[in-house]
Amino acid sequence: DGGITQSPKYLFRKEGQNVTLSCEQNLNHDAMYWYRQDPGQGLRLIYYSQIVNDFQKGDIAEGYSVSREKKESFPLTVTSAQKNPTAFYLCASSTALTGDEQYFGPGTRLTVT
Amino acid sequence: AQSVTQPDIHITVSEGASLELRCNYSYGATPYLFWYVQSPGQGLQLLLKYFSGDTLVQGIKGFEAEFKRSQSSFNLRKPSVHWSDAAEYFCAVVFPSGSARQLTFGSGTQLTVLP
Repeated sequence: DGGITQSPKYLFRKEGQNVTLSCEQNLNHDAMYWYRQDPGQGLRLIYYSQIVNDFQKGDIAEGYSVSREKKESFPLTVTSAQKNPTAFYLCASSTALTGDEQYFGPGTRLTVT
Repeated sequence: AQSVTQPDIHITVSEGASLELRCNYSYGATPYLFWYVQSPGQGLQLLLKYFSGDTLVQGIKGFEAEFKRSQSSFNLRKPSVHWSDAAEYFCAVVFPSGSARQLTFGSGTQLTVLP
């Protein structure tokens, strides 16, 4: 079955450590996105990539980094510079032609203590 | 400024009752409009979308939404709610004139269904 996978589902880290969240898709989608979700705030865009080896900052990119070396993969690194990293992180993808309709992965809940 | 608003943070309905979730946007033209549903601890699933044409849109799971240009609204409806509909619902829009066609989400409406 085609879809988006995110791993792990739950992730725990100590403050000051960088952590990388995985996102893989086998939908042959060109565009991929990372969102952060906090209670009562909806989803906020962190980074997006419309093509391999290219990505753009979203609304809340500070303290995060990404790479897009393969079409299928768009890992997100939460760095120690992110002041409040505990959140639910969602990855999404879309085709180039119908780029407005995004398909979401199951999410990773990151807890930093 | 372009924005999307879901005025109701939490709605409670009885099973079998009808449901309407509100969504309003602020934009000079017609955006692309979406409704997503999220079960606890899960990703988002697309319920329906509106790009153009017929203003009444049918979606999955028995949901429909009506675009009303005069009211800048895209409200989600279901005639008879099932217990399995309990979830969080997000309205989202794309403002086509922007240089980056990003989804902008409302803050969500949490639906509770009483037996």
